[in-house]
Amino acid sequence: GEDVEQSLFLSVREGDSSVINCTYTDSSSTYLYWYKQEPGAGLQLLTYIFSNMDMKQDQRLTVLLNKKDKHLSLRIADTQTGDSAIYFCAEKVAGNMLTFGGGTRLMVKP
Amino acid sequence: DTEVTQTPKHLVMGMTNKKSLKCEQHMGHRAMYWYKQKAKKPPELMFVYSYEKLSINESVPSRFSPECPNSSLLNLHLHALQPEDSALYLCASGTGTGVSNEQFFGPGTRLTVL
Repeated sequence: GEDVEQSLFLSVREGDSSVINCTYTDSSSTYLYWYKQEPGAGLQLLTYIFSNMDMKQDQRLTVLLNKKDKHLSLRIADTQTGDSAIYFCAEKVAGNMLTFGGGTRLMVKP
Repeated sequence: DTEVTQTPKHLVMGMTNKKSLKCEQHMGHRAMYWYKQKAKKPPELMFVYSYEKLSINESVPSRFSPECPNSSLLNLHLHALQPEDSALYLCASGTGTGVSNEQFFGPGTRLTVL
C-alpha cells in the first residue's frame, strides 16, 4: 500500500516548537520529504531524509524517522508566524514518484 | 538558476476555449511533472516526462494534452474543459534518476473553468 497520513491541523504559539507527524505504509520507501505550501503558492521542498537515517537537522528543522513504525516527524524550533502554511510529507515510491500525505495546516498565533 | 517558472499565474477559460499552460526550468533536470491540486488536498500526479518522452499518464482525460518541446520546457494544452477541472496546476522538475530525486515545484497556475 502507498497511503501517507497526516493530522489535519496544528496550532502553536509563536516561539514554541511545532511537531508535525506523518505515517506511511510503503516499507520500501528510500526517501521521505517535507514540503511547505503557503496560500496560493507552489510547494517548497524543506528537507528530506534517507531511510537509513534516524534524524536529520537543518537549522530550525529536525526530521525524525522511525522506520520500524513507519513514522516521520518534522519539528520546527522557535516557530514564527511566517511558518504558518500547509506541510506535506511525501515518500518516494517505485518509478521515482512521490506519494503525498493529505497535508497538515500549521497555524502560528502571535 | 534553481527556479521552476510557470505561466500564466491565473487563467479563466470557458468550456469551449483552448489554452495552454507553460512551465520552464533551467536546472538541467531530465524529469518534468504536471500535478493537479484541488483546494485543501495534496497534489495529484497527472503526467511525467522523462528525457522529453511521456513516461507516465495517470489516466488523465484527453482534454488535457501534455507536450515537452525540449528538456527545459513543458506545456499542458487544455481543450473543452469542465468546471470540475478548476484547480491549481503545478509543474515540477527533478533529476528523475539517481539517489534522492527531489522534485522542485513551480508556483502553479490557478485555473478557473466557467
